[in-house]
Amino acid sequence: EAGVAQSPRYKIIEKRQSVAFWCNPISGHATLYWYQQILGQGPKLLIQFQNNGVVDDSQLPKDRFSAERLKGVDSTLKIQPAKLEDSAVYLCASSLNWDGNQPQHFGDGTRLSIL
Amino acid sequence: DAKTTQPPSMDCAEGRAANLPCNHSTISGNEYVYWYRQIHSQGPQYIIHGLKNNETNEMASLIITEDRKSSTLILPHATLRDTAVYYCIVRVENKLSFGAGTTVTVRA
Repeated sequence: EAGVAQSPRYKIIEKRQSVAFWCNPISGHATLYWYQQILGQGPKLLIQFQNNGVVDDSQLPKDRFSAERLKGVDSTLKIQPAKLEDSAVYLCASSLNWDGNQPQHFGDGTRLSIL
Repeated sequence: DAKTTQPPSMDCAEGRAANLPCNHSTISGNEYVYWYRQIHSQGPQYIIHGLKNNETNEMASLIITEDRKSSTLILPHATLRDTAVYYCIVRVENKLSFGAGTTVTVRA
């Protein structure tokens, strides 16, 4: 079974520029998550989708971050404009559904550096 | 916020069992205990989860106390590749809230 695919693996941009990350979840997984992991900390949930609908985006900085999952499969996370504090690894995860008994499986993330 | 307490670090010898403790004294009856690990430059890897009963899979065993206020992850034969940060998480409302975890170093 193929895992969660993310691209790009690394991205370097200057502050105030925009950037987008792509995620392809495990086939058949209805629930998709985006996390932010700052160096030295555990991942923090940004947004959760069930199929193509948003379930929870309470921790997403909506003035600069946006995410979509238009066809209920792939998802993109965008930052516009980027700030220095956005330097982090952005992780995508998926699960079969949002039942608490279904584990989330993570991709290896996109490492974003803001200059 | 994470509802678990783990030691910040621990060492174990290669080939020996590694026992990782976790306290979750405020856990509710329908909340699962999940364990993940994260090896440098990789995403978190799912290990095991449980609700009330002890669980075992090809990677590890999970022992949950009868009152559910604590649990232990057991890696039966630690190898150098098990060196990682291990996260114990109580899944609340379908969310995983990661704390700082335990940095486990397996030594030859």
